[in-house]
Amino acid sequence: DVKVTQSSRYLVKRTGEKVFLECVQDMDHENMFWYRQDPGLGLRLIYFSYDVKMKEKGDIPEGYSVSREKKERFSLILESASTNQTSMYLCASCIGTYNSPLHFGNGTRLTVT
Amino acid sequence: AQTVTQSQPEMSVQEAETVTLSCTYDTSENNYYLFWYKQPPSRQMILVIRQEAYKQQNATENRFSVNFQKAAKSFSLKISDSQLGDTAMYFCAFMKQTGANNLFFGTGTRLTVIP
Repeated sequence: DVKVTQSSRYLVKRTGEKVFLECVQDMDHENMFWYRQDPGLGLRLIYFSYDVKMKEKGDIPEGYSVSREKKERFSLILESASTNQTSMYLCASCIGTYNSPLHFGNGTRLTVT
Repeated sequence: AQTVTQSQPEMSVQEAETVTLSCTYDTSENNYYLFWYKQPPSRQMILVIRQEAYKQQNATENRFSVNFQKAAKSFSLKISDSQLGDTAMYFCAFMKQTGANNLFFGTGTRLTVIP
């Protein structure tokens, strides 16, 4: 089975802190994604990557950046955390062919105080 | 732009009964893929079923089936013989055939199966 592991299940940070959310997948998937999940809004794409060192903006990239130095690892970075970034963050991966289903991690619930 | 609409924020069903979750979408694409994902309290998003738009036959996976109406841009999920383990958030999602495998999600339907 595909395993997508997010390093933290719960995280509490202060406003202005730099925050790193880590995601690792073990199936040699080309594509990796970061989504944000908020009640009533569903999941919204922040960034995705289709190869090492490649990244593309999603629908809500403002206030975030990403890093993909190795194929299995995709990091989401909040340069200066703000309270409106309090949310559930979900990482996903899939192989690079069309119609490939996404495999998700268990999510990181981030609270910014 | 693609949009996915789930008009039922919450639903409930008696155990062993059948329930249908609705989903509509808007797109100018002709070829695309549709998915239903389940998110139980554990938060793990699990793929329930998927449908290719070029296929007229509705997809089925055990107790789960879809009613795909391409002209109406409708993609409903039917759960038969509902079980307590079906209690979860259900998300409908759309994927374009071209470009990256990005999913566009609806806002979700919270389903509760009542014993």
